[in-house]
Amino acid sequence: AQKITQTQPGMFVQEKEAVTLDCTYDTSDQSYGLFWYKQPSSGEMIFLIYQGSYDEQNATEGRYSLNFQKARKSANLVISASQLGDSAMYFCAMTPGVSNSGYALNFGKGTSLLVTP
Amino acid sequence: NAGVTQTPKFQVLKTGQSMTLQCAQDMNHEYMSWYRQDPGMGLRLIHYSVGAGITDQGEVPNGYNVSRSTTEDFPLRLLSAAPSQTSVYFCASRATRALSYGYTFGSGTRLTVV
Repeated sequence: AQKITQTQPGMFVQEKEAVTLDCTYDTSDQSYGLFWYKQPSSGEMIFLIYQGSYDEQNATEGRYSLNFQKARKSANLVISASQLGDSAMYFCAMTPGVSNSGYALNFGKGTSLLVTP
Repeated sequence: NAGVTQTPKFQVLKTGQSMTLQCAQDMNHEYMSWYRQDPGMGLRLIHYSVGAGITDQGEVPNGYNVSRSTTEDFPLRLLSAAPSQTSVYFCASRATRALSYGYTFGSGTRLTVV
């Protein structure tokens, strides 16, 4: 079974600063995928970034990067140059296997991020 | 627009009533799944499907049924609604190619059981 832990229920960051949202996971699988999703107050789930367990480089997507430390089983999301529109709930999730075998997602409980002016 | 469509967006049910939450995608995705979101709990997997005719249970399947007769549709049925099923329900899909494309989510159905 896979388990995702997000230990920060809420975070504050000032506009234009960087922020790190923590995520640790537990799995016995050798092959897995890690995801971050953003859920603004409007409720939709927005895919941000993906990291495969065999990927040697950390994933980056614009202002988002994933700090992947496999030995520590952590997959922290780093948001650079925070914007007011980044205020939202952020979920870390994982799926067993990569490619064809990742059938569904296991989610953490989320971190609420508030960006202040 | 291509994506995952969920209907209805809002629904109020009385205890004991049945209903079907609809989920349709037009991206020819093989994998589809249903989640419920409760405050402080994140999203929890209810049922999933890896293709037409193939479904399986997730973490919280009790009280819900699914079927997958076509690639496009994956309805979620509540047979006898209970107040504990008050939640926001999300449907998601993804293609069988690389996970890096992520899972696409519908906009959700907010269900209240009174």
